[in-house]
Amino acid sequence: GAVVSQHPSWVICKSGTSVKIECRSLDFQATTMFWYRQFPKQSLMLMATSNEGSKATYEQGVEKDKFLINHASLTLSTLTVTSAHPEDSSFYICSATMGKRNQPQHFGDGTRLSIL
Amino acid sequence: LAKTTQPISMDSYEGQEVNITCSHNNIATNDYITWYQQFPSQGPRFIIQGYKTKVTNEVASLFIPADRKSSTLSLPRVSLSDTAVYYCLVGDYNQGGKLIFGQGTELSVKP
Repeated sequence: GAVVSQHPSWVICKSGTSVKIECRSLDFQATTMFWYRQFPKQSLMLMATSNEGSKATYEQGVEKDKFLINHASLTLSTLTVTSAHPEDSSFYICSATMGKRNQPQHFGDGTRLSIL
Repeated sequence: LAKTTQPISMDSYEGQEVNITCSHNNIATNDYITWYQQFPSQGPRFIIQGYKTKVTNEVASLFIPADRKSSTLSLPRVSLSDTAVYYCLVGDYNQGGKLIFGQGTELSVKP
């Protein structure tokens, strides 16, 4: 149980294009989803918290116009990297939680984004 | 949010028991302690979670002293496939509390 699916697993695109990453909770309803970014040999950095039906809350230093987050349903959140540039290349990971006490976050397998 | 401190790296050999300790001096009353394992190019995988005393599942044990200012993840008889980064996190999951990842512990298991 508690499976989180992330798609695509990797993407390569040209500078200036926009890329959408999907995060789905397959067997539970996720009231809250989180988006992280991870650079090589570094820890996960929280980018934003996404609650179903409301605007995402971004961490300090994360550009909300660059990283658009939509949490349209209890099982789907999307992250769109707009006008991507090489410095946006990274490993993006989502997680989902039922938002109850004693219910941990469950993570997707990440999306490797490479901007040429 | 409570900050966590772990050793940056640890080495072990196959078949040994590995204990990774995490300090979280500012843990709040409602916070749970959760450990994750991460392999390269994969998302973190939930290992174990606890609030106090001892918790055991099929892969690990978690020891939490009475003051809850630290916790120890115990991996019995590690194998080469346990080579990974282990993260200790502290947070309140009530209403979807966010987690802040520390640097984690890079465990290397040798034959």
